[in-house]
Amino acid sequence: EDKVVQSPLSLVVHEGDTVTLNCSYEVTNFRSLLWYKQEKKAPTFLFMLTSSGIEKKSGRLSSILDKKELFSILNITATQTGDSAVYLCASYNNNDMRFGAGTRLTVKP
Amino acid sequence: EAGVAQSPRYKIIEKRQSVAFWCNPISGHATLYWYQQILGQGPKLLIQFQNNGVVDDSQLPKDRFSAERLKGVDSTLKIQPAKLEDSAVYLCASTRTAIYEQYFGPGTRLTVT
Repeated sequence: EDKVVQSPLSLVVHEGDTVTLNCSYEVTNFRSLLWYKQEKKAPTFLFMLTSSGIEKKSGRLSSILDKKELFSILNITATQTGDSAVYLCASYNNNDMRFGAGTRLTVKP
Repeated sequence: EAGVAQSPRYKIIEKRQSVAFWCNPISGHATLYWYQQILGQGPKLLIQFQNNGVVDDSQLPKDRFSAERLKGVDSTLKIQPAKLEDSAVYLCASTRTAIYEQYFGPGTRLTVT
């Protein structure tokens, strides 16, 4: 059965720390890996990764995909309290989006 | 542009009752999705519409869940009868083209007692 597993499930850091969130997947007909940030209810799109080894970057956030080892990481540098959220990764194959359970990140002042 | 609208925002019902959720996607977005997100889990895709046709409903519990998208715009998701395990946030999302560009609505939090 297809699955997407995220780790850690929760993480508490202090402002200024750097964090790495992990996402591993076992998905048939895999096409892309997506990262979302969910603060209250509605997830907002961060990155879509299709090719291995190519880093996507947006400000203090960056992400990379390893299609050989079947995982992706999301890095956040110089964390701020506004980064506190649940970070979801999802695999996309054809028409199906399969989400992981998320990593709850708490950034303390 | 206006975002995805959903209503109601909260709903509390007793088990075996019926409930319906409404979603209005972003104007011009042909594809609409309904997700179920149980507390502590990621969203689970229930059904995907392309205009008013169903693309994928393989994870929709069809014995109690139904969804429609008449005229290819608004959509309703119905649960009849509800069970305790249906307690979740129901998210609607829409996209113009690729699935990754989907925009999520604020969700409806359903509590079944």
